[in-house]
Order: sequence, then structure tokens, then C-alpha cells
Amino acid sequence: NAGVTQTPKFQVLKTGQSMTLQCAQDMNHEYMSWYRQDPGMGLRLIHYSVGAGITDQGEVPNGYNVSRSTTEDFPLRLLSAAPSQTSVYFCASSVGQGASGANVLTFGAGSRLTVL
Amino acid sequence: EDQVTQSPEALRLQEGESSSLNCSYTVSGLRGLFWYRQDPGKGPEFLFTLYSAGEEKEKERLKATLTKKESFLHITAPKPEDSATYLCAVRGYNFNKFYFGSGTKLNVKP
Repeated sequence: NAGVTQTPKFQVLKTGQSMTLQCAQDMNHEYMSWYRQDPGMGLRLIHYSVGAGITDQGEVPNGYNVSRSTTEDFPLRLLSAAPSQTSVYFCASSVGQGASGANVLTFGAGSRLTVL
Repeated sequence: EDQVTQSPEALRLQEGESSSLNCSYTVSGLRGLFWYRQDPGKGPEFLFTLYSAGEEKEKERLKATLTKKESFLHITAPKPEDSATYLCAVRGYNFNKFYFGSGTKLNVKP
């Protein structure tokens, strides 16, 4: 039982390049989400999903795309990277969804992205 | 707008010196307040969930309490291994959105 697995752990991009951050969980969690963590600003929600085929925006969705084709995977795409997207990205999942919503989050180890 | 403010930003304690971390929040219809611990280079790990004013939860040297406007994380006789950043998050009417504070970085010296 690996929990939430994020790849890559580190990535350096040039402005304008595209890339995908991968997130996979093996806990059969319906809810998955992406956060970015910047110094002094805490964790901010980018996008979340309550099940395969269902995604929604969080606080800071601009510049990021997501899709959810399976329960296990929730990739985050940067189509044209900008220096403002330099951050540490965390994927998190939760067993809850629907009327009671997401509950306790299980986080991955993070992906550190630098955009030059 | 849902908002979470944590204080202090950083706290340095001697081993055995008890203290408290504060999390004040503004949220429409609280549906849970969560405490997490984050070690350097790792993802946050869940500690507690509180749902209603007056509720308390304990785990080893940590005790979390909740009022209508804030939560406290009390640390009794801390040890160096308690050094970490402690994060507070709230969930409001949208059950699927969490709002995090910027954390309190705790350093416990032996």
C-alpha cells in the first residue's frame, strides 16, 4: 500500500514549456486534489476531483489543467509554464465524497517545480 | 471569503516548555477544522479533526481545542521530535474545498 505517489520529485522548466505532474493513489479514494505551497502563503487548492470524469476548480486554477479518467490517477498539466508557477506541488486524496464531502486528506511527498 | 490565520509564524521552545499554537478562521458554515503536521521535504500528515465548538482531541503531547472563531493546538512538555510545521485547515459549505493557514514552524531545542 504505497498511499499517494507523485512524480517527478524535482523538475526544472523553461518559460513556455509544458509538463505533467503525475499523481496516483492505491487506496480507492474517490476524492483527489492538487495544491501548491509557497512560502508564507500556505497550501492553496488548484483543482479537485470527486470521481472519474468529474473535476472542479479551486482557489488558483489559472494556468493548470486536470482530467480524471480513472479512480487511481489525477495528473496536473502545465500547458505553458511561467516563473510564477515555481512552487512545491502536493497531491492529496480522501475517502469521502458526495454529500459528506472530502474528509481527512492523505498527501503525497510533493513535487518541486522551478520555472526559469 | 473563507480564511485561516495561524500564529505565531515561528515558535522556539526549550524541551519541556509547554505552549500553544493559534488558528483563527472565518468560514461560512464550518464543516470541520483539521490539524496537520508537516516535516521538511514531506507532505502534511493528519493529526486531528474538530467539528463543533467545545470539542477537544488529544494525541500524546498534543491537544486540539475549538471555539466558534479559533482553534488551539496545545503542546505539553514538547520533545525535539515535535519540531515541525503545524498546519490548520477548514472546510466550509463546499464540502470538497479546504482552506489552509500558512502554518506555525515549531522548533524544540534539547
